[in-house]
Amino acid sequence: GIQVEQSPPDLILQEGANSTLRCNFSDSVNNLQWFHQNPWGQLINLFYIPSGTKQNGRLSATTVATERYSLLYISSSQTTDSGVYFCAVETPSDNNDMRFGAGTRLTVKP
Amino acid sequence: EPEVTQTPSHQVTQMGQEVILRCVPISNHLYFYWYRQILGQKVEFLVSFYNNEISEKSEIFDDQFSVERPDGSNFTLKIRSTKLEDSAMYFCASTRRPEGNSPLHFGNGTRLTVT
Repeated sequence: GIQVEQSPPDLILQEGANSTLRCNFSDSVNNLQWFHQNPWGQLINLFYIPSGTKQNGRLSATTVATERYSLLYISSSQTTDSGVYFCAVETPSDNNDMRFGAGTRLTVKP
Repeated sequence: EPEVTQTPSHQVTQMGQEVILRCVPISNHLYFYWYRQILGQKVEFLVSFYNNEISEKSEIFDDQFSVERPDGSNFTLKIRSTKLEDSAMYFCASTRRPEGNSPLHFGNGTRLTVT
């Protein structure tokens, strides 16, 4: 099946700093989503972004499908941004069932 | 905005007991999923369900697990004879179309604790 690799695995930032999270995938995809898992375990959908660039407030994401990667940008980070960020992809080779990366654990310190 | 709802939010059960986790997908969605996340680990695919039958299942989804859509709204995951290692967060998800080009919507999860 498809391999989804996220980097870095852990990231510690000071409040106000910017960061870039990366997701590499090993096969062509029909769908890519970024999720934030909050401290209560809920998966919050951030972006549905199989290709192109989207922005939502301080967050933006870019997927370059031909080069098989996606980036999540967090600007002016806040302590409430802490949590685990997951990239998940759907590919025809996996019957279009969504597969998750291992996540990036972000800690934003005040 | 419509949501996927899961009940209960937390369930504690004894080893060997059967549990049923319940989900109400978004009403016009056609494709349903269960995922599992053991504490501190990544989210793992269990099973997908379309047109009243299992579409695909992972190696994790063995004979101990079953899914059902008993009526037009509910989608359930049954775990027979639970084991300690079944302790995890279980997420239900749904999407509008099966072609993989619409977003997946997740519920808030059921935290299952097997003692």
